[in-house]
Amino acid sequence: GQNIDQPTEMTATEGAIVQINCTYQTSGFNGLFWYQQHAGEAPTFLSYNVLDGLEEKGRFSSFLSRSKGYSYLLLKELQMKDSASYLCAVPLFSGGYNKLIFGAGTRLAVHP
Amino acid sequence: DAGVIQSPRHEVTEMGQEVTLRCKPISGHDYLFWYRQTMMRGLELLIYFNNNVPIDDSGMPEDRFSAKMPNASFSTLKIQPSEPRDSAVYFCASSLDVAGTSTDTQYFGPGTRLTVL
Repeated sequence: GQNIDQPTEMTATEGAIVQINCTYQTSGFNGLFWYQQHAGEAPTFLSYNVLDGLEEKGRFSSFLSRSKGYSYLLLKELQMKDSASYLCAVPLFSGGYNKLIFGAGTRLAVHP
Repeated sequence: DAGVIQSPRHEVTEMGQEVTLRCKPISGHDYLFWYRQTMMRGLELLIYFNNNVPIDDSGMPEDRFSAKMPNASFSTLKIQPSEPRDSAVYFCASSLDVAGTSTDTQYFGPGTRLTVL
């Protein structure tokens, strides 16, 4: 089965750095996705990790440790527009196909 | 590409009425997914299709829900009869693959906000 845990809410200050953690338990592993979802909008793809280590993409980086079942999303130089929910998702292999299972998401509030 | 297109964006209906949500996936994507999102339950997968064929409908809550994909560029999610507890945002998403690689990346439509009174 699949179990994904993320903190429910976080707050941070504009210009700061914030780390959003995600732990997962899965019977197999086929990568981990991070999505961003602004209030009232659709989730949008941020990153995909399948190998251990840090993947940097501008102000956003995503880290994965497969042995620990752990990932984090690192947001640098926070901006007000980064206030959103951040969802991690892992594929569940079932019936010959993978389907994405999403965590409940972490609501990030960025304050001036 | 225009991305995933959904209609309507908002739907308000009365309990007992039939509701039909529509989706056009990204051209070339072989997989189409229907999700429901609520504050209480988060983002839940209802059903997904591969090449227009339903693969996994284990997330469909009841027989009142049905989904079809008559061709590669169109899918519908129907609720009949609708109930107040069906009020949620319904997202459609599509992807190239579900092979356990980066091609599994799902792209979401803007969603349909459904309110059943």
